[in-house]
Amino acid sequence: AQKITQTQPGMFVQEKEAVTLDCTYDTSDPSYGLFWYKQPSSGEMIFLIYQGSYDQQNATEGRYSLNFQKARKSANLVISASQLGDSAMYFCAMSPWASGGYQKVTFGTGTKLQVIP
Amino acid sequence: GAVVSQHPSRVICKSGTSVKIECRSLDFQATTMFWYRQFPKQSLMLMATSNEGSKATYEQGVEKDKFLINHASLTLSTLTVTSAHPEDSSFYICSARVVLSGATLSYEQYFGPGTRLTVT
Repeated sequence: AQKITQTQPGMFVQEKEAVTLDCTYDTSDPSYGLFWYKQPSSGEMIFLIYQGSYDQQNATEGRYSLNFQKARKSANLVISASQLGDSAMYFCAMSPWASGGYQKVTFGTGTKLQVIP
Repeated sequence: GAVVSQHPSRVICKSGTSVKIECRSLDFQATTMFWYRQFPKQSLMLMATSNEGSKATYEQGVEKDKFLINHASLTLSTLTVTSAHPEDSSFYICSARVVLSGATLSYEQYFGPGTRLTVT
């Protein structure tokens, strides 16, 4: 079974500053994927970034980067140069890799990020 | 990226009635779709995995007779909440995975915009 822990229920960040959202995970699967999603108040889930468990380098997508520390089982999301539009709920998630590809996704409890002008 | 639509976006129904929610992949074929439920200020909980042409796989604790899932085509999956009750009021979200060559599921999971169900 997989477990995702997000210990920060809410975070504030000043506009244009960087912010790190914490995520730790627990799994017995040897191969897995880690994901971050953004959910604005409208409810849609927006995919931000993906990290494979065997990837040597940390994933980056524009202003998003994933600080992957496999030994510590952590996959923190770093948002650089925060914008007002970044205010939303952020979910960390993981999916084991098995025959047929990535399987069902387990989500963390989420972190509500508020960007202050 | 790929687009997934859901219909309706909002629905209000009376207790005891059934409600059908549609999930469509608009520009790709989705052999596998997922249905999630999200209560206010909580995380997404997977309800079931919907496979085209076969029975859905339900997560533990989800009543398969109450939440009927049909995946009749490669672009459409439906969730029917039967005999709905106020405790079924929730945000229901579907997602679909892109199938790569060799029938491998991509890591990319595209979500629909969600359906807010209110049972009165």
